[in-house]
Amino acid sequence: QKEVEQDPGPLSVPEGAIVSLNCTYSNSAFQYFMWYRQYSRKGPELLMYTYSSGNKEDGRFTAQVDKSSKYISLFIRDSQPSDSATYLCAMTSPGDTGRRALTFGSGTRLQVQP
Amino acid sequence: NAGVTQTPKFRILKIGQSMTLQCTQDMNHNYMYWYRQDPGMGLKLIYYSVGAGITDKGEVPNGYNVSRSTTEDFPLRLELAAPSQTSVYFCASSSRQGAQPQHFGDGTRLSIL
Repeated sequence: QKEVEQDPGPLSVPEGAIVSLNCTYSNSAFQYFMWYRQYSRKGPELLMYTYSSGNKEDGRFTAQVDKSSKYISLFIRDSQPSDSATYLCAMTSPGDTGRRALTFGSGTRLQVQP
Repeated sequence: NAGVTQTPKFRILKIGQSMTLQCTQDMNHNYMYWYRQDPGMGLKLIYYSVGAGITDKGEVPNGYNVSRSTTEDFPLRLELAAPSQTSVYFCASSSRQGAQPQHFGDGTRLSIL
């Protein structure tokens, strides 16, 4: 079993829809949670960074962490074709260093249809 | 504001050839990483470095070597290229480890034929 599970998709939605992307994890020590967006033929870019449980909002994006369920989500409101990309979750704990600096999900491919 | 720069962007190698993938960052980050990304497999850590002169193996180091002579540069060398090394390679850096996000370059697409 992978330490971080993420549905690979693809997830196809119409423009304007609310998108929900999710990751589950097994390591209860994780405290810092990140979402990266990766456009085709580009490197991952940091989209959201949250600590512990709760919500964080940035424009059309909301990151949600439920540590009790070991479940994190990224919501995209009013989705746009420019949101079409692969979204990777990543997580870590303060003591994670070296080869465990970040643990990544395998990514969910999102397609927003005009 | 260049961030992490990788060269080349694309390369085709023949089996048995060698090459060096270049990575440089201008953020004065001590920590640097090399990943490979295969379709549907996520990012796998090849090597990492915690500072100039210090490197260590990641999850999939076989067939690769690294060096870190300066803070800015972290080249990845492939010796005796094999088809299994066909992948997209990403270099990343961070200001410290533990609870810090990593900043990625745009990758090198490598095909071994």
